[in-house]
Amino acid sequence: DAGVIQSPRHEVTEMGQEVTLRCKPISGHDYLFWYRQTMMRGLELLIYFNNNVPIDDSGMPEDRFSAKMPNASFSTLKIQPSEPRDSAVYFCASSPRTSFYEQYFGPGTRLTVT
Amino acid sequence: AQKVTQAQTEISVVEKEDVTLDCVYETRDTTYYLFWYKQPPSGELVFLIRRNSFDEQNEISGRYSWNFQKSTSSFNFTITASQVVDSAVYFCALRTGGGNKLTFGTGTQLKVEL
Repeated sequence: DAGVIQSPRHEVTEMGQEVTLRCKPISGHDYLFWYRQTMMRGLELLIYFNNNVPIDDSGMPEDRFSAKMPNASFSTLKIQPSEPRDSAVYFCASSPRTSFYEQYFGPGTRLTVT
Repeated sequence: AQKVTQAQTEISVVEKEDVTLDCVYETRDTTYYLFWYKQPPSGELVFLIRRNSFDEQNEISGRYSWNFQKSTSSFNFTITASQVVDSAVYFCALRTGGGNKLTFGTGTQLKVEL
């Protein structure tokens, strides 16, 4: 079975550019999560969706960040404009309906903003 | 508020030694779930185990074992006869019963040397 798929795996961009990260959750999973990992702040939840609807976006750093889930099999995290402090590894994860199930993580996207 | 503390930042052992990674959690909820994830050098997050607050039974899976003690709010992870392939960052995480947000600890870097 395919796991969570993320693209691109690596992204290098210049400050001010728009960046779009993509995620395909595991088929049948109702929840999708976006995390950011940095050395300074560790793993942080940015936003999560249930059945394509954003439930909690309190972790989104600022208005430069936006996330969408147009259907059950695709989500995007967009940063516009990007800044060097956005450099991090961004993980997407998904989980089934019942709350106690573990989250399955994608391989991550390593973003470098110069 | 929820909190997970992994006081050990880095542990180095020689292959075949046993090693225990500590995890202490804080929550006011009576229903909660605890998790361990492994992050090898390749970067992905791999789910290892889930334990709910009503099940204090310890678990063993091959060389891995977990000791859950509600009295001390701890969920420690022991690797028996460590191997070089166990080298990774290990994260403990907490999810409370009413939500889907995972609160991660800061991780413990385990280095197993020959």
